[in-house]
Amino acid sequence: LAKTTQPISMDSYEGQEVNITCSHNNIATNDYITWYQQFPSQGPRFIIQGYKTKVTNEVASLFIPADRKSSTLSLPRVSLSDTAVYYCLVGDPNNDYKLSFGAGTTVTVRA
Amino acid sequence: ETGVTQTPRHLVMGMTNKKSLKCEQHLGHNAMYWYKQSAKKPLELMFVYSLEERVENNSVPSRFSPECPNSSHLFLHLHTLQPEDSALYLCASSPTPRDFRQFFGPGTRLTVL
Repeated sequence: LAKTTQPISMDSYEGQEVNITCSHNNIATNDYITWYQQFPSQGPRFIIQGYKTKVTNEVASLFIPADRKSSTLSLPRVSLSDTAVYYCLVGDPNNDYKLSFGAGTTVTVRA
Repeated sequence: ETGVTQTPRHLVMGMTNKKSLKCEQHLGHNAMYWYKQSAKKPLELMFVYSLEERVENNSVPSRFSPECPNSSHLFLHLHTLQPEDSALYLCASSPTPRDFRQFFGPGTRLTVL
């Protein structure tokens, strides 16, 4: 599994866009990039998954440059309820059962 | 509500007790997982089941015994636990075992005295 590096924490204010960058320099050809969100004392929630370029859904956007050595999760116009830990995971779902969570990025949204 | 339920939500047990955690998924998925999340530590995968067959045992001590009677239900039987086993135990499911889009339950907060 490719190792990932994310900032430990980020602060933001309501209405702002939050961008969390994850580094994964040794990503393999068949690896996908997956992001999860976790609120305190709850299970993680799948946000978005991508392989290359840009993926967008109703919650977030995921930007992946051509070399795929990093990715950026973009949360548009955050609210207080977006305060959570965000995890970046990289792996090949066709060859690995393991979803390896790191420490994640704690995003705190203030009023 | 993710379609994955866990009971109980909170459990306090002594080191000599035997208890079981229950997980049920209503999503028609074929894979189910147990994870452990200790304070200040990342989630750790414990077990993976695919169509009721265990396909992964991530070096978990034998005092944790999983059971998957059908593709909708998953149990974690606990016996002679240690205080360091206190943690949030999370169940998850996915359409297939090799799908990183997993749906997690709310977890069971376990305290071992």
